[in-house]
Amino acid sequence: SQQGEEDPQALSIQEGENATMNCSYKTSINNLQWYRQNSGRGLVHLILIRSNEREKHSGRLRVTLDTSKKSSSLLITASRAADTASYFCATPQTSGSRLTFGEGTQLTVNP
Amino acid sequence: NAGVMQNPRHLVRRRGQEARLRCSPMKGHSHVYWYRQLPEEGLKFMVYLQKENIIDESGMPKERFSAEFPKEGPSILRIQQVVRGDSAAYFCASSPGQYSGANVLTFGAGSRLTVL
Repeated sequence: SQQGEEDPQALSIQEGENATMNCSYKTSINNLQWYRQNSGRGLVHLILIRSNEREKHSGRLRVTLDTSKKSSSLLITASRAADTASYFCATPQTSGSRLTFGEGTQLTVNP
Repeated sequence: NAGVMQNPRHLVRRRGQEARLRCSPMKGHSHVYWYRQLPEEGLKFMVYLQKENIIDESGMPKERFSAEFPKEGPSILRIQQVVRGDSAAYFCASSPGQYSGANVLTFGAGSRLTVL
């Protein structure tokens, strides 16, 4: 398995519900990032959490990081149909270098 | 302030032809990354460049693929003698030259290559 694996692969929920996606990684990191990709579009950066942080919020997004378990979670609260997209976690190989992306979680929010 | 510009957005080539994909990074960014994405899959790193310099090409296939980022002009990903397996979306991303240990990427909309 590769660095940055998301789970589940696909998630379907109703509008208003919360969506939780998980990411596991293998090597030591100094930060972890989450990106969103709408169908047929490029990726958009959502949030970055540093290795010395345990939790971070941005609007309806909450990210946690557990470096002892090498895992992170992305929570989207009060989901909307517009949140339908693929979500990827990404980790740097070394400080400031290229990012390695996981396979993504496909989130569908039904109106 | 335009973001990362990629062109063409869609490119159709026959087997054996050459494909050239262009990427202009975001204004002020000097680092360019190319990724490939197959349908229903994640992004696979190909190459990381700075102006006139290839920093990391560990994801580039050994043959037929090349990339450059000249002093003037866009970064170019070139695929020679394309095969059907090259059909994919190719994404370019850029980042600032200076960072505080966190490399946040700005992505273009992608170039979708179809090989007939």
